[in-house]
Amino acid sequence: AQSVSQHNHHVILSEAASLELGCNYSYGGTVNLFWYVQYPGQHLQLLLKYFSGDPLVKGIKGFEAEFIKSKFSFNLRKPSVQWSDTAEYFCAVNAAGGYNKLIFGAGTRLAVHP
Amino acid sequence: DAMVIQNPRYQVTQFGKPVTLSCSQTLNHNVMYWYQQKSSQAPKLLFHYYDKDFNNEADTPDNFQSRRPNTSFCFLDIRSPGLGDAAMYLCATSRDRAPDTQYFGPGTRLTVL
Repeated sequence: AQSVSQHNHHVILSEAASLELGCNYSYGGTVNLFWYVQYPGQHLQLLLKYFSGDPLVKGIKGFEAEFIKSKFSFNLRKPSVQWSDTAEYFCAVNAAGGYNKLIFGAGTRLAVHP
Repeated sequence: DAMVIQNPRYQVTQFGKPVTLSCSQTLNHNVMYWYQQKSSQAPKLLFHYYDKDFNNEADTPDNFQSRRPNTSFCFLDIRSPGLGDAAMYLCATSRDRAPDTQYFGPGTRLTVL
């Protein structure tokens, strides 16, 4: 069965610090990978996705993620966070070629202090 | 703006009293999903509709049902809510069944007394 692990449940950073959120998945086949973000009081929205091609994916608001197939990882990065990045971040996968069932990680709550 | 709307945002029900949660979309997407998210846990897919075709996940309890009367609306019915059904319920849509971006509503937080 597919599963997704997000290693950090809570992360606290100061503005301008660099961010890396870990995501590992368990699945034997080809996967599509997603990062969703939920800002306080708002709905889940797509930050970026990887289906194929360049394993370094750039998303909105300066975020990027790198797919490392050998490590089953899809870590999210941002070189310099802002207070407005305070949110909960969810990594998700689905099986390529299957239907659009997302398997989510439990999420990482990021708090950025001014 | 095209969007996914969920009503109500907060729902309180009593143990065993049937409850219905509502989702509507203006995206004209073919697929609508219902996820359950318990506190500090990952959202978990309950079922989805591809047009009028209902697809239940194998581990979704029978207590949960869904209806999709038309493209725009989808309902989640909990026939006899238990304390363990207290959760955030998320509705999402996608254009098609193939893996792609899902668009989420704000969720309905269900409390069971």
